[in-house]
Amino acid sequence: SQQGEEDPQALSIQEGENATMNCSYKTSINNLQWYRQNSGRGLVHLILIRSNEREKHSGRLRVTLDTSKKSSSLLITASRAADTASYFCATVPTSGTYKYIFGTGTRLKVLA
Amino acid sequence: EAGVTQSPTHLIKTRGQQATLRCSPISGHTSVYWYQQALGLGLQFLLWYDEGEERNRGNFPPRFSGRQFPNYSSELNVNALELEDSALYLCASRDDRETQYFGPGTRLLVL
Repeated sequence: SQQGEEDPQALSIQEGENATMNCSYKTSINNLQWYRQNSGRGLVHLILIRSNEREKHSGRLRVTLDTSKKSSSLLITASRAADTASYFCATVPTSGTYKYIFGTGTRLKVLA
Repeated sequence: EAGVTQSPTHLIKTRGQQATLRCSPISGHTSVYWYQQALGLGLQFLLWYDEGEERNRGNFPPRFSGRQFPNYSSELNVNALELEDSALYLCASRDDRETQYFGPGTRLLVL
């Protein structure tokens, strides 16, 4: 079964609002990554946060990581219609196998 | 820099046939990953190749197999196709900072 679980499964917001998605995982990790997928196509890497980091920013994206709670959140500020996509978290366990475990995804819809 | 490429983009097969999917990683990347994404679902890890060797495989039956060639391109073979194999198959290559770069996928339909 997938290690990562995103919450909520679906989110609908108005353009300009902020969108927050959460990811929970089960085992110790080296890093956690967030990806975006548009309309059933290939995934695009958004941001990577390592296990010794608590927060990271990239443009309108802010990612937090709480290793004690085994959870991460992705915040998209000032959302745009073009942000409409599915967002996945992926974890790289500390087992050293470089086996990425993807979550089930959050479907974000930004209404213009 | 060219991205990850996959072929074909679409593939239609009938139950019991074999499917072969191909992937070319970004130049310089030696690791290739394969994932299955059924409609509306998350990604299920299939296979990981690095330097020509299979390094790990997901919880899939042996009829899912593949290989990696000396130029690091890869092939995924699915034998004895079943209806539930219909999905988007994604290939990704990984850089040395652990970021994966995905191809556009091959959509397989089994009738």
